[in-house]
Amino acid sequence: KNEVEQSPQNLTAQEGEFITINCSYSVGISALHWLQQHPGGGIVSLFMLSSGKKKHGRLIATINIQEKHSSLHITASHPRDSAVYICAVRLVRRETSGSRLTFGEGTQLTVNP
Amino acid sequence: DTEVTQTPKHLVMGMTNKKSLKCEQHMGHRAMYWYKQKAKKPPELMFVYSYEKLSINESVPSRFSPECPNSSLLNLHLHALQPEDSALYLCASSELPSRGPAYEQYFGPGTRLTVT
Repeated sequence: KNEVEQSPQNLTAQEGEFITINCSYSVGISALHWLQQHPGGGIVSLFMLSSGKKKHGRLIATINIQEKHSSLHITASHPRDSAVYICAVRLVRRETSGSRLTFGEGTQLTVNP
Repeated sequence: DTEVTQTPKHLVMGMTNKKSLKCEQHMGHRAMYWYKQKAKKPPELMFVYSYEKLSINESVPSRFSPECPNSSLLNLHLHALQPEDSALYLCASSELPSRGPAYEQYFGPGTRLTVT
C-alpha cells in the first residue's frame, strides 16, 4: 500500500462543474503539497498545507490532520484546468537535508467545454 | 524571481554520449533536487543537495553524476545511459527546512531526455 493514495485516478468534468480530488496518507507528516502538472512537463506548486484550509482564486485545499486526509476543490472548472494534480507529503523524519516529498500517483483531470 | 530554469528543454543522446543537464535558481534557496519522471508516473527523487553538498542519493546508478558548482547552479552529468533512462528530468529548489516546518518546492520545466 502506498503511503499516499489519491482518488480518483482519472476525472472528466464539464466546464463549470465543481471538482474534488482526494488524498489520503498513512503516516505522520509535517506538510502536504498540492501540485499541478500540465502536458509538457512543468510542475507548479498550488498549495502547501499543514492544517486547515487555503484558498487561491477558484482553488481550495483542505486538510484534516486527525483523519489524514486532504481535498483539492476546483470551483467553476474550466478547460484550462485540465492537468494532472499530484498530492505530495513531507514525512516527519529526523533528516534535515532538504524537503523529501512522497508523491501520490496523481489525478488526471480533463475538463470539457 | 521565483523561477527555476532548466536547459536544454529536449535532449536526444546515444548510449555512448556524454551530456549534461543544467538547472539554475536565483531565489537564494540552499536545497536543490533532481527528480526523474516517467510517463504517467509521479516524480522520483534522485538527489538532494543541501548547502552545495550532496545530502541524499536515492541509490541512483553511477551513470548519473550530480554536481553543484555554487548555490545557484545544479548540474546532472550523463554518461553511458540506457534507453530506459529516457524520461523527464525535473530540477527543484527550496529553502532548507529545519526539523520544523516544510518549505515549498519550486520546480523547473524539466528536460525531456531520449536515449537512443
